[in-house]
Amino acid sequence: QVQLVESGGGLVKPGGSLRLSCAASDFIFSDYYMSWVRQAPGRGLEWISYISSRGDYTGYADSVKGRFTISRDSTKNSLHLQMNSLRAEDTAVYFCARLAVAGRKYFDHWGQGILVTVSS
Amino acid sequence: EVVLTQSPGTLSLSPGERATLSCRASQSVRSSDLAWYQQKPGQAPRLLIYGASNRATGIPDRFSGSGSGTDFILTISRMEPEDSAVYYCQQYDSAPRYTFGQGTKVEIK
Repeated sequence: QVQLVESGGGLVKPGGSLRLSCAASDFIFSDYYMSWVRQAPGRGLEWISYISSRGDYTGYADSVKGRFTISRDSTKNSLHLQMNSLRAEDTAVYFCARLAVAGRKYFDHWGQGILVTVSS
Repeated sequence: EVVLTQSPGTLSLSPGERATLSCRASQSVRSSDLAWYQQKPGQAPRLLIYGASNRATGIPDRFSGSGSGTDFILTISRMEPEDSAVYYCQQYDSAPRYTFGQGTKVEIK
């Protein structure tokens, strides 16, 4: 059974940094594109970043471009999101999600999410 | 950038009733690029439908998807209490970029 477990969330001041991690298990991590999706309190889902299976391609939503960096370590089956210059509007639950291998058009497995709160 | 608009905002139905959820795109979307998710309170989203009409693994057959172009529908043929949730449509473009609708909340009366 595919498992995705996020860690690294918490409270951070505006302008601060945080690094999220996602531990993947029970599938061949290096075969899959991965992504981060977030959900602000009481709001809908917002895709923020993806990374290719080998880590050579990445993409970002405009809302985080230049501030967030996605990376992966296939030797440790882990996905990361380095978040810099954090703003109050970055407060959200952050989900690690696997992109379906066929076409990479939708998210077929999700982690339980980790809360990031940006507040002074 | 494609904008997805879901309606209604909230749907309140009795057990056994049929639910019809709409997802309208601001420009034409390929059917292969449209998916639906279910999210219950405090939980992660779960993939229901991909390619507009294909049920994901383990999804009951009371859930079905249809549509093409700019108009897509998620149908729950007979509401069960456990189907109370927020439902999101999502589309993919070749950037790649992924866009979600704002969600429809489905409640059991």
